Amino acid sequence: QQQVKQSPQSLIVQKGGISIINCAYENTAFDYFPWYQQFPGKGPALLIAIRPDVSEKKEGRFTISFNKSAKQFSLHIMDSQPGDSATYFCAAEGNKLVFGAGTILRVKS
Amino acid sequence: DAGVIQSPRHEVTEMGQEVTLRCKPISGHNSLFWYRQTMMRGLELLIYFNNNVPIDDSGMPEDRFSAKMPNASFSTLKIQPSEPRDSAVYFCASSPGSEGEQYFGPGTRLTVT
Repeated sequence: QQQVKQSPQSLIVQKGGISIINCAYENTAFDYFPWYQQFPGKGPALLIAIRPDVSEKKEGRFTISFNKSAKQFSLHIMDSQPGDSATYFCAAEGNKLVFGAGTILRVKS
Repeated sequence: DAGVIQSPRHEVTEMGQEVTLRCKPISGHNSLFWYRQTMMRGLELLIYFNNNVPIDDSGMPEDRFSAKMPNASFSTLKIQPSEPRDSAVYFCASSPGSEGEQYFGPGTRLTVT
């Protein structure tokens, strides 16, 4: 049962552009929403996370936007760089962490 | 800190053989998680421990899979007997608490022929 739906499956962005990845959830018991970044051959690593009491969180070029009423959240990568090319996973945690299917991001130089 | 350590990094075995994957969590972390990653099913939580006690093993696919955490610094995931459909990357992760940021190891790529 996929409790977190992530889109798109893949994304190609020009260097300097904005990358946007979206996620939606159903379970209102989720109270922690992290984004993980995974490079080939490596384990996922936490990128940024948000709790539902705020609508936006920004860390450097990475921003999470959170819409509690719509049960949606998104990751925005500003000024995307080739080094950002990786797979990105959204996740949601209630009593355990549930991951989205992942988005393969490629930033073209 | 060395981070989460997993061994082996790669394992190739024949169907029917026993496979044991090992994990050393980050020192001081109270929670340990085992995940499986495949193209078809993505990242799936298999089991997690809190203070060495299994809390949720609902993700363990079947009785062929078992996990132990005999102490705070070591855990194993065993598959017996292994099948080709078990081929995947298995990740171990640890966390300071029962929720929040998880730190993943580099994974073990398992191939069952």
